[in-house]
Amino acid sequence: KAGVTQTPRYLIKTRGQQVTLSCSPISGHRSVSWYQQTPGQGLQFLFEYFSETQRNKGNFPGRFSGRQFSNSRSEMNVSTLELGDSALYLCASSRQGMNTEAFFGQGTRLTVV
Amino acid sequence: GESVGLHLPTLSVQEGDNSIINCAYSNSASDYFIWYKQESGKGPQFIIDIRSNMDKRQGQRVTVLLNKTVKHLSLQIAATQPGDSAVYFCAENILFNNAGNMLTFGGGTRLMVKP
Repeated sequence: KAGVTQTPRYLIKTRGQQVTLSCSPISGHRSVSWYQQTPGQGLQFLFEYFSETQRNKGNFPGRFSGRQFSNSRSEMNVSTLELGDSALYLCASSRQGMNTEAFFGQGTRLTVV
Repeated sequence: GESVGLHLPTLSVQEGDNSIINCAYSNSASDYFIWYKQESGKGPQFIIDIRSNMDKRQGQRVTVLLNKTVKHLSLQIAATQPGDSAVYFCAENILFNNAGNMLTFGGGTRLMVKP
């Protein structure tokens, strides 16, 4: 069974640009959550999607957005990139999303220069 | 647990010894907890979970203990091996409007296994 797949693995962008990251969950999983990991702030929750609807949202500015498609694949978008957005962006999938095992992908390493 | 930023607490153990990694969680309403292992350059790897109606759960070489009274979680690794070297995170699930996963992570503990 394939795990959670995130693309691309690495990305370098310039301040002010926008970026789209992709996540394919484990087959049969309908919940996809996104997290940002930085050395200073650790792992922080961005948002969660379930059945194409954003169900939960963390404390991030509106520049961070996402969506989920009917096949449960999810994308997150960051607009007007800032240097502080440099981080490892992780996607986690789970079957139902509520108190069930959440499995992470390898992440996308975003560097903003 | 609280984030400790760049300075992760480190636990150094001898190969073959048992390891105990501790975590204090923040919300007494949390009812689901997960331990993750993260190796350099990789995403967090699920190790074991526990629900709040339990106080102990065992897996292969790992045991998680939950003390709700003091909001404390621990991960015990038996016969620690070099391959166990990694950063370990505890995560609590805080139900959001009674639905969904919004995991809140502790700052992590670095486990170093000496051969």
